[in-house]
Amino acid sequence: DTEVTQTPKHLVMGMTNKKSLKCEQHMGHRAMYWYKQKAKKPPELMFVYSYEKLSINESVPSRFSPECPNSSLLNLHLHALQPEDSALYLCASSQSSGVLYNEQFFGPGTRLTVL
Amino acid sequence: AQTVTQSQPEMSVQEAETVTLSCTYDTSESDYYLFWYKQPPSRQMILVIRQEAYKQQNATENRFSVNFQKAAKSFSLKISDSQLGDAAMYFCAYRSGGSNYKLTFGKGTLLTVNP
Repeated sequence: DTEVTQTPKHLVMGMTNKKSLKCEQHMGHRAMYWYKQKAKKPPELMFVYSYEKLSINESVPSRFSPECPNSSLLNLHLHALQPEDSALYLCASSQSSGVLYNEQFFGPGTRLTVL
Repeated sequence: AQTVTQSQPEMSVQEAETVTLSCTYDTSESDYYLFWYKQPPSRQMILVIRQEAYKQQNATENRFSVNFQKAAKSFSLKISDSQLGDAAMYFCAYRSGGSNYKLTFGKGTLLTVNP
């Protein structure tokens, strides 16, 4: 299984809502990532989890809260978002640091619209 | 900090012909990895090809090959026998060696394949 899955595919939420994005991989990878991508732009790294511990937080606003319940799952909890947070949210996974290449495998993304 | 430059925002190619996408990068490091990712209109990022800085031999994956010029800090992607399914946004990415997770992406090149 060489797949990263993300749910939901689309999400529309109001600025007062609380929602969560989910990411799952079964490749035995120990690093998982959240990216934000605006149209026609490259992905911007938000968070990295390594061995289920938060390794990198790219100064992301606290209205985004990541969680890694186990090595296969990654969640992104959303609360009090702004319209400018509307974007494609990509999840990725990779083996772990120190591995040759350590290439990242991406999920299909969740298209988030904040009204 | 490392930077990745893709100087061609858009490119087009006729089906069955060859196209080269350019990528240059700036780094003072000797240990690093380079990647080309493809993001079709369906939006899932797919790894096309990868290159380790220490390898002099250019990487090849079927119709995709790179021209890695380490001294010139250039990492171009050649697509041979272009197919309609090659139409996508292509991102060049850099990762430092060792225990480093972060990918630095270029701004992307949008490739159109004309029938």
